Amino acid sequence: GAGVSQSPSNKVTEKGKDVELRCDPISGHTALYWYRQSLGQGLEFLIYFQGNSAPDKSGLPSDRFSAERTGGSVSTLTIQRTQQEDSAVYLCASSLGPVPGELFFGEGSRLTVL
Amino acid sequence: DAKTTQPPSMDCAEGRAANLPCNHSTISGNEYVYWYRQIHSQGPQYIIHGLKNNETNEMASLIITEDRKSSTLILPHATLRDTAVYYCIGHYNQGGKLIFGQGTELSVKP
Repeated sequence: GAGVSQSPSNKVTEKGKDVELRCDPISGHTALYWYRQSLGQGLEFLIYFQGNSAPDKSGLPSDRFSAERTGGSVSTLTIQRTQQEDSAVYLCASSLGPVPGELFFGEGSRLTVL
Repeated sequence: DAKTTQPPSMDCAEGRAANLPCNHSTISGNEYVYWYRQIHSQGPQYIIHGLKNNETNEMASLIITEDRKSSTLILPHATLRDTAVYYCIGHYNQGGKLIFGQGTELSVKP
């Protein structure tokens, strides 16, 4: 597609359920980033992929969070046993190469945990 | 990456130039200065980046002081659609994350 695509755009779930968020980066972009943004807050880095490997997972807040990327393309962020504090907009971005330069962001997946 | 400091908010009159300052006194010689903005309810958008020389593109101009301790992003003719949070980020041009701070909330008023 023309831009970074994220799905679902909105997800409401109950506390304790698992959720999967998907990111489809711009074709040919080798680097992929996940950030999250809680209401009224700044962007919090979660994880960075170069190809299928994740050299920087330092922002994942707990072991309930995991992410994978397959075929150097689509990435899935999984949150297990969701908590109310996980409620946020989860943003995915991609860039052409490992040097960030211009990051292209998707519109985000808004997660609400009841 | 260098710590950057920006004013939390600024106002600008529509049609006037918006000058957004950023202090990065600890920036090292090979760290770039990046600017992004985030319009409400959208993902951030790249604006411009530079190392030493001033840069200009269709969106904005970036003026970096000679000692590189500060920079200014200039939107030459601000419109209401430029109302957004503007982020100044210092980053080595290597692989890895960009760290977004709190940014400056720019309000363009009619």
